[in-house]
Amino acid sequence: GENVEQHPSTLSVQEGDSAVIKCTYSDSASNYFPWYKQELGKRPQLIIDIRSNVGEKKDQRIAVTLNKTAKHFSLHITETQPEDSAVYFCAAWGDSSYKLIFGSGTRLLVRP
Amino acid sequence: NAGVTQTPKFRILKIGQSMTLQCTQDMNHNYMYWYRQDPGMGLKLIYYSVGAGITDKGEVPNGYNVSRSTTEDFPLRLELAAPSQTSVYFCATGLGEYEQYFGPGTRLTVT
Repeated sequence: GENVEQHPSTLSVQEGDSAVIKCTYSDSASNYFPWYKQELGKRPQLIIDIRSNVGEKKDQRIAVTLNKTAKHFSLHITETQPEDSAVYFCAAWGDSSYKLIFGSGTRLLVRP
Repeated sequence: NAGVTQTPKFRILKIGQSMTLQCTQDMNHNYMYWYRQDPGMGLKLIYYSVGAGITDKGEVPNGYNVSRSTTEDFPLRLELAAPSQTSVYFCATGLGEYEQYFGPGTRLTVT
C-alpha cells in the first residue's frame, strides 16, 4: 500500500546550523510532495511543496529536493533559529486514492 | 473568509456517550478530511470525502461515522465514546493535489 517513511524522528541542532529531514515514498505515481510545520498546540501549516517536474525548490532559508527515481525527498533548513523548533511532516499525494499520505513526523529542536 | 472552522474547541465525554464534531469550510473545496492526532504522534486519517455525497474510509475509521450532504460541511460522529478516542481531531480541506488547509482542531477527552 501507499507509505511514506520519515527520518529522523527527532533532531536537535545548534542555532545557526542546518537541519535536514528525509522522506521516502512508495507510490511511484505520486507527483505532489508538501511539507507541513506544526508548532506546539497549533494546526499543521504548509511551509513548502514540490511537484515531480522539478528537482529543487527554495524559499528563503527553506529548500526541498526531490529524487523521483529513488523516490526520496528532503527538507533543508539553513541558519536555523529557535522559532524553527516544531514538528515537521512530509507527505505525498496518493494519485489513485485522493489523499495525502503523511510521514510520521520529525521533532526539531533548535538550541539557542 | 473564515477558512476552515471546527466546533467545539474542547470537549470532555464520558465513556459510552456520543457526539458530533462539526467542520465547515467557506473555501469551496471539494476534498475534505478528518484526522486524529494522539499526543506526541502523527496524523492518522479517519475519513475523507472527494465531494458532496461521497465518503471513504481512511486508516482508522472504526468508532466513527461521517456524512457529506453539502460542499461546506463534513461532520464527524462518534458513537459510544471510548478512552482510546481521546485525541485532537483536525478537519482539513483541499482541491486535491494541492495544499490542504487545516482547521484549528477539537481537543477531545473521554473519561
